Amino acid sequence: AQKITQTQPGMFVQEKEAVTLDCTYDTSDPSYGLFWYKQPSSGEMIFLIYQGSYDQQNATEGRYSLNFQKARKSANLVISASQLGDSAMYFCAMRERLQGAQKLVFGQGTRLTINP
Amino acid sequence: DVKVTQSSRYLVKRTGEKVFLECVQDMDHENMFWYRQDPGLGLRLIYFSYDVKMKEKGDIPEGYSVSREKKERFSLILESASTNQTSMYLCASRAGLVSPLHFGNGTRLTVT
Repeated sequence: AQKITQTQPGMFVQEKEAVTLDCTYDTSDPSYGLFWYKQPSSGEMIFLIYQGSYDQQNATEGRYSLNFQKARKSANLVISASQLGDSAMYFCAMRERLQGAQKLVFGQGTRLTINP
Repeated sequence: DVKVTQSSRYLVKRTGEKVFLECVQDMDHENMFWYRQDPGLGLRLIYFSYDVKMKEKGDIPEGYSVSREKKERFSLILESASTNQTSMYLCASRAGLVSPLHFGNGTRLTVT
């Protein structure tokens, strides 16, 4: 079963609009963490934002915020006021403990294209 | 700034060859990881290591092995390369459990 699901293979958004990238997860570990990464066409993986399962408030980092709905097991990334430079692949990832080991598993990714 | 360096950006090997992918980090991180990235599949964990000489299998370890003799270096080994191992390989390290992964620039391996 897929641990991290990103249902949007691709998204097209007009510049300056807000965009929400979906991520749902599945885990039985009560102490887990959720990460979002950006991968531009250059290939580097850039860390954007982190949310711990016990964090009471949604994480925010500049124009990025994480809409964390624990009961629904979703951790959507919201980018406000999108810019052309936001065009990239975006990956949701989850840290969980499985059989004593702390693993980080990734979703399939969403390719975001910002149109001028 | 954390620097994770992968020795090769592009690599072309023949079927059956033994292939070494090297990764070095300069921040004294204990945890290191190897992923492969394929279109539509995201990143899949091959192996990871919590400390020197320690290794744990990830989700797709078959056909791979790893070596961690020194804290800063984590090597991925393809014992006998096959065409289905053609992929982008990403190495990463992290300081602790809640710390983000820091990635290298990747090695695009082609096996012919």
